[in-house]
Amino acid sequence: SYDLTQSPSVSVPPGQTATITCSGDKLGDRYASWYQQKPGQSPLLVIYQDDKRPSGIPERFSGSNSGNTATLTISGTQTMDEADYYCQAWDGSIGVFGGGTKLTVL
Amino acid sequence: QVQLVESGGGVVQPEKSLKLSCAASGFTFSKYAMHWVRQAPGKGLEWVAVISHDGSTEYYTGSVKGRFTISRDNSKNMLYLQMDSLRPEDTAVYFCATQNQASFDNWGQGTLLTVSS
Repeated sequence: SYDLTQSPSVSVPPGQTATITCSGDKLGDRYASWYQQKPGQSPLLVIYQDDKRPSGIPERFSGSNSGNTATLTISGTQTMDEADYYCQAWDGSIGVFGGGTKLTVL
Repeated sequence: QVQLVESGGGVVQPEKSLKLSCAASGFTFSKYAMHWVRQAPGKGLEWVAVISHDGSTEYYTGSVKGRFTISRDNSKNMLYLQMDSLRPEDTAVYFCATQNQASFDNWGQGTLLTVSS
């Protein structure tokens, strides 16, 4: 089976850049997506196909994917960005999620 | 706009069965593969199952293979998850989600399943 690994938590002061990483074997050869989930809410797609933003997602969210690591970058982090973030890729037709990273903005 | 509404969750005893439903609207349901994703209390997301747009192909995560069955009725814009031989570790919020451009672009609000005696 294919595994994705994320750091459990990341902290960043408001206005600074948050970097959340996701590692997996040759992850750069697969498309990576990122989801934001706030308490009590459903996940929200924030990055798809490595670096594309869905309509309505602020420009401060960006993504990259190369080698064994996909990265979600939030520039000028706002308090509203505090949430859990999950990376996701595919193992054939099987979906795989990382364990999630809790982003704290303080 | 796209709307996915799950239903059918509840409290069920171990080894019993339950069927979840997901009502889809706002898009051409028959054109998209559909997934179930679950989240145990306080835990991360876990992919459960996928069904192709026409219902011809299904895949499951290993822990539910042989116990869960995903199905769809394109005439009714409905997605289902039949869950048999339920275990306490199946306790979770179950989300249905659409697949588009290699991602899950729309999610329902989820329905909670609790497996407990």
